[in-house]
Amino acid sequence: DAGVTQSPTHLIKTRGQQVTLRCSPKSGHDTVSWYQQALGQGPQFIFQYYEEEERQRGNFPDRFSGHQFPNYSSELNVNALLLGDSALYLCASSLTAVDRLNTEAFFGQGTRLTVV
Amino acid sequence: AQSVSQHNHHVILSEAASLELGCNYSYGGTVNLFWYVQYPGQHLQLLLKYFSGDPLVKGIKGFEAEFIKSKFSFNLRKPSVQWSDTAEYFCAVNGPHSYNNDMRFGAGTRLTVKP
Repeated sequence: DAGVTQSPTHLIKTRGQQVTLRCSPKSGHDTVSWYQQALGQGPQFIFQYYEEEERQRGNFPDRFSGHQFPNYSSELNVNALLLGDSALYLCASSLTAVDRLNTEAFFGQGTRLTVV
Repeated sequence: AQSVSQHNHHVILSEAASLELGCNYSYGGTVNLFWYVQYPGQHLQLLLKYFSGDPLVKGIKGFEAEFIKSKFSFNLRKPSVQWSDTAEYFCAVNGPHSYNNDMRFGAGTRLTVKP
């Protein structure tokens, strides 16, 4: 049973370019969240997708957008890249169940994005 | 807005020493609280979580945490650390109507355990 998988693992982009990161949730999970983790910091919540719609959003500009597909996989898109967007981007999946107490979020290993 | 503060940036202990990592949160309501661990080169893993009930929560690998509502704290403890506990530890919080993967994280505490 595969856990959360993210691709690519590393990426180098030039300032001003656009990037797409991908996430496949753990089998059986229907909810995906994206986080940005800058060096030496904790993960910062970007947004969450459920039923192919953005359900919650953190304090990130509109340059950050996403998508969820019918198979629950998700993409994170960042436009007009800035040097400050360099970070580890984490995907977390879980099951939106009635009984939240028995669900758990699982994280992928992340995509390391470097903007030069 | 919710925020999480972890007091120690880097903690160094010898094996068998006791561990306590501090976590305070800022949120004007009922919260769900989490501790995650990130071992070198690995993904974030859930150590334990608190939603309601007994404020003393036991997690995996001998870790426990105590929720003290009056102090807005959720400190992580382990009576006797091992070298294999060397990792980065993150405290996280979300609100009562949130789901398990829309958390706000602290900056993390790096724990180094000397053999």
